[in-house]
Amino acid sequence: NAGVTQTPKFQVLKTGQSMTLQCAQDMNHNSMYWYRQDPGMGLRLIYYSASEGTTDKGEVPNGYNVSRLNKREFSLRLESAAPSQTSVYFCASRDRGLAANEKLFFGSGTQLSVL
Amino acid sequence: AQSVAQPEDQVNVAEGNPLTVKCTYSVSGNPYLFWYVQYPNRGLQFLLKYITGDNLVKGSYGFEAEFNKSQTSFHLKKPSALVSDSALYFCAVRDITGTASKLTFGTGTRLQVTL
Repeated sequence: NAGVTQTPKFQVLKTGQSMTLQCAQDMNHNSMYWYRQDPGMGLRLIYYSASEGTTDKGEVPNGYNVSRLNKREFSLRLESAAPSQTSVYFCASRDRGLAANEKLFFGSGTQLSVL
Repeated sequence: AQSVAQPEDQVNVAEGNPLTVKCTYSVSGNPYLFWYVQYPNRGLQFLLKYITGDNLVKGSYGFEAEFNKSQTSFHLKKPSALVSDSALYFCAVRDITGTASKLTFGTGTRLQVTL
């Protein structure tokens, strides 16, 4: 019963390098999200995907791109990493439907350091 | 825009004492409010939600939250704190703008329960 799986768990990049954070969920959820967590700032939404084939910008999308590869997978790409992107990244998913289902399921996070 | 505020960075309480973690909200329309908990090196876990109905909402691990419309607050409470409750707590509000429902999180409150 994996839920939401993120890889890698840790990553160190040099400024200007690129990388892709992977996320997969096995709960057949429609909506998926990428958040970043920074001290004193809580979680901020980077991008989200309402369903397979759609993606939308969140609060802090600059410097990131996303791909909703299929219903299970939602990846986050940093094309040219900057120190300001040092953060903990969380992927989350949610079943689409009634308001009563408004519950996000989170992965365990990716800790990214950009030097 | 929907938002929540958590005025305390940290709350300290002795084990066995009651605890309160504060949250106030600013929304247009009816608020859908949530509490999540984050244990060290883990993703966020859902605790409870308020959508409509009773102002006192019960959730996981003995937590409850009181919705107060006149004070625009949604404080998290527990009658008797445990050391194992020590964690980071986030209040969140649903945002329905865009193509999918999203959660906007507060900055988080660290709860420290001591013996």
